[in-house]
Amino acid sequence: EAGVAQSPRYKIIEKRQSVAFWCNPISGHATLYWYQQILGQGPKLLIQFQNNGVVDDSQLPKDRFSAERLKGVDSTLKIQPAKLEDSAVYLCASSLAAGGETQYFGPGTRLLVL
Amino acid sequence: AQRVTQPEKLLSVFKGAPVELKCNYSYSGSPELFWYVQYSRQRLQLLLRHISRESIKGFTADLNKGETSFHLKKPFAQEEDSAMYYCALRYTSGSRLTFGEGTQLTVNP
Repeated sequence: EAGVAQSPRYKIIEKRQSVAFWCNPISGHATLYWYQQILGQGPKLLIQFQNNGVVDDSQLPKDRFSAERLKGVDSTLKIQPAKLEDSAVYLCASSLAAGGETQYFGPGTRLLVL
Repeated sequence: AQRVTQPEKLLSVFKGAPVELKCNYSYSGSPELFWYVQYSRQRLQLLLRHISRESIKGFTADLNKGETSFHLKKPFAQEEDSAMYYCALRYTSGSRLTFGEGTQLTVNP
C-alpha cells in the first residue's frame, strides 16, 4: 500500500513569512497526526484529527499555527507568521483508528526559517 | 504529566555485542509503551510495543512498572541495527504519543 505522502520535502523562508505543508494519509486511515521535530529532540504532537474533527490540539501554538482536514482525508498545516524557532521537521502520520497502535509516518517536511 | 527519558543520546557497540537502549518514563497510571526506529534516510516506523510482548528483528523490551522502565535489548547487535531509536508512551488508547529524545545507536564492524 502507498505510504503517507507529504509535500514539500524542504522549505526555506524568512521570518514573518507564511508557509503551508500538505499531507495525504494512507487510504482508509481515520486518524491523522502532525508532529514537530526540532533538531536533537523527539517528535512532539501538534494536532490530532479523527476524520475531520480535532481530537487533541493542546500543544498547537494557535496564535500562529493552524491545521485543517477537509473531508477527513488530506490535511494542511500552516504557520503564519513564521519565527526562527519554527525551524524543524514537520511529520505527518496516520493510523487506522484513534486507538490504532501503529502510526505510519510520512517522510517529513524540513523547514528552515531565516 | 507524562514524560519519557532516554538518558543516552549516543550509544556505540561492536557487532555481536549485546545492546541495551534505556528508556524511563514518569506516569502514575498504566501506560502503553512503544519503541520507534528511524534508519538512515528512511521514515520513522514502529519497532515494537509492550502489549504485544513480541520480538522484532531480535529486539525485545519488557515493561518494568516498579522501575518505570522499558529498556530495549538485543543479545547480538548487527550493523544493520544502526539507527535512531525513540521510546514513546501514551496513557490510554487514542491519546497522544509522547516521545523521548532518542538514542542514536551505532554498531561498528
